[in-house]
Amino acid sequence: DAKTTQPTSMDCAEGRAANLPCNHSTISGNEYVYWYRQIHSQGPQYIIHGLKNNETNEMASLIITEDRKSSTLILPHATLRDTAVYYCIVPQNAGNMLTFGGGTRLMVKP
Amino acid sequence: GAGVSQSPSNKVTEKGKDVELRCDPISGHTALYWYRQSLGQGLEFLIYFQGNSAPDKSGLPSDRFSAERTGGSVSTLTIQRTQQEDSAVYLCASRTSGGQETQYFGPGTRLLVL
Repeated sequence: DAKTTQPTSMDCAEGRAANLPCNHSTISGNEYVYWYRQIHSQGPQYIIHGLKNNETNEMASLIITEDRKSSTLILPHATLRDTAVYYCIVPQNAGNMLTFGGGTRLMVKP
Repeated sequence: GAGVSQSPSNKVTEKGKDVELRCDPISGHTALYWYRQSLGQGLEFLIYFQGNSAPDKSGLPSDRFSAERTGGSVSTLTIQRTQQEDSAVYLCASRTSGGQETQYFGPGTRLLVL
């Protein structure tokens, strides 16, 4: 199963873009990359996922490198409410149980 | 639409008591998962239901833990003879059938065993 590596923490100024990197060098060809976030004391919230192409939705953009060994989650205009732990996940067993590692603790500062 | 709901939001119990935690998945979602998250830790998979198939119980930590899913919808996680180390947030997630559909999480039940 592909494992992911993320920085432990990052800071971002309010209103600026937050770029959260993730390495998944052992990902296989049919495995997706998912991003979730967990705001303090809440359940994990789905953000976005992708396979090969870059993806964008109302929350974020996902940029996946051509070799698929890494990806970057972009929050284009971070707000204080985006302060959370962000998890990059490559699900085991074709979309079954999710394994959340340590994630990146993003602190958005005024 | 309505998301995954869980009840109770918080539960305080005494060591040795049994507890039941409830999960209402998103309507139409055939797959349901239970996870737990200890303070400051990542998610620990507990059990997975998919339609009428036998559940994947590989993550249950002991035989004190069990779960049922009635009518393919609501699920109940039961912890018998609770121990202090069972204190955690218990999270439920659901998704549609298929390989890559997204899991949507409920708000969790915070269990404290005194």
